[in-house]
Amino acid sequence: GEDVEQSLFLSVREGDSSVINCTYTDSSSTYLYWYKQEPGAGLQLLTYIFSNMDMKQDQRLTVLLNKKDKHLSLRIADTQTGDSAIYFCAESYGSSNTGKLIFGQGTTLQVKP
Amino acid sequence: DGGITQSPKYLFRKEGQNVTLSCEQNLNHDAMYWYRQDPGQGLRLIYYSQIVNDFQKGDIAEGYSVSREKKESFPLTVTSAQKNPTAFYLCASSMTGNQPQHFGDGTRLSIL
Repeated sequence: GEDVEQSLFLSVREGDSSVINCTYTDSSSTYLYWYKQEPGAGLQLLTYIFSNMDMKQDQRLTVLLNKKDKHLSLRIADTQTGDSAIYFCAESYGSSNTGKLIFGQGTTLQVKP
Repeated sequence: DGGITQSPKYLFRKEGQNVTLSCEQNLNHDAMYWYRQDPGQGLRLIYYSQIVNDFQKGDIAEGYSVSREKKESFPLTVTSAQKNPTAFYLCASSMTGNQPQHFGDGTRLSIL
């Protein structure tokens, strides 16, 4: 079945760039998403990319999509301590418009001062 | 301010008891969703609704029920048939099924 895989943990120093990676299996996905979750809170939509795009940039965030390898990445430039959180990758699965998403298990980003 | 409101933030359930989690949105979104999150795991879809008076089962619907009588409300009932209900429950909504989903702040359910 469809699956989304992420590495579980990433540690960086404040000011460095962070790159969080994700692989997915459903080649018919229309959209791929990145969400951020802080402790005890809901998910905050960070950015998303349409499947016919290769790259999307939004201020400090850059999303790269490699459709051939089914690989998605999120780069955070100039990482700050406030960026410490769990980051989830999600794909819309199937070609229908049901809105059903498959989530990865999340990557915990630790930013050291 | 527009948004999604989940209540209560914390909820405790006794054995054999049904409990209902509230989710209200004032974003005028057609679609609404319920997810369950367990520690160290991603989100799993319980139920979703694309329009008023209609809803479908997600991947883990057993032991749960929903209703969608109003556009802005999508309550989730955790029934006594759900044997492992302790989890963090998240409600989301989107303009339509193929638009980004926005989340509430969640309800943490625990068993007494």
